Amino acid sequence: EAGVAQSPRYKIIEKRQSVAFWCNPISGHATLYWYQQILGQGPKLLIQFQNNGVVDDSQLPKDRFSAERLKGVDSTLKIQPAKLEDSAVYLCASSLDQGGTQYFGPGTRLLVL
Amino acid sequence: AQSVAQPEDQVNVAEGNPLTVKCTYSVSGNPYLFWYVQYPNRGLQFLLKYITGDNLVKGSYGFEAEFNKSQTSFHLKKPSALVSDSALYFCAVRENFNKFYFGSGTKLNVKP
Repeated sequence: EAGVAQSPRYKIIEKRQSVAFWCNPISGHATLYWYQQILGQGPKLLIQFQNNGVVDDSQLPKDRFSAERLKGVDSTLKIQPAKLEDSAVYLCASSLDQGGTQYFGPGTRLLVL
Repeated sequence: AQSVAQPEDQVNVAEGNPLTVKCTYSVSGNPYLFWYVQYPNRGLQFLLKYITGDNLVKGSYGFEAEFNKSQTSFHLKKPSALVSDSALYFCAVRENFNKFYFGSGTKLNVKP
């Protein structure tokens, strides 16, 4: 069974630029999560989808971050404009249903200069 | 309020010795509890979880964890540590309404 796929693996941008990350969850997983993991910290949930609907986006900085999962499968997370403090690893995870075991992708490491 | 706490930033243990990585939680209702491991430059890997039933949960790679409701703890254990167990370990809790919180992580160093 294929795992969670993410791309790109690494991205370097300058502040005020925009960036987008892509995630393909495990086939059949209805729930998809985006996390931000700053160096030395645990993952922080940014947004959770159930199929193509948003379940929780309470910690998503909506003035600059957006995410979508239009067809209930793949998802994209966008940052526009990026700030220095956005430098982090962005992790995507999926689970069969809400509350289930989450399986994580390898992450996208973002460096904002 | 902090939902999950890992009081130790780092744990050092000699190969062959038992290891314990501590986790305490503070959530309402009956929590689901998880342990994940993260190797350098890789995503988090699921180790084990507690939902209900036997307080001692066995997981991948010989790890186990004990749920203690009175102490609100879910410590990760292994009887005999391997050098290859050296990694970053995260405890996570699922509150009601399916909100997930991760601890800050504990770096495990196993020395030969």
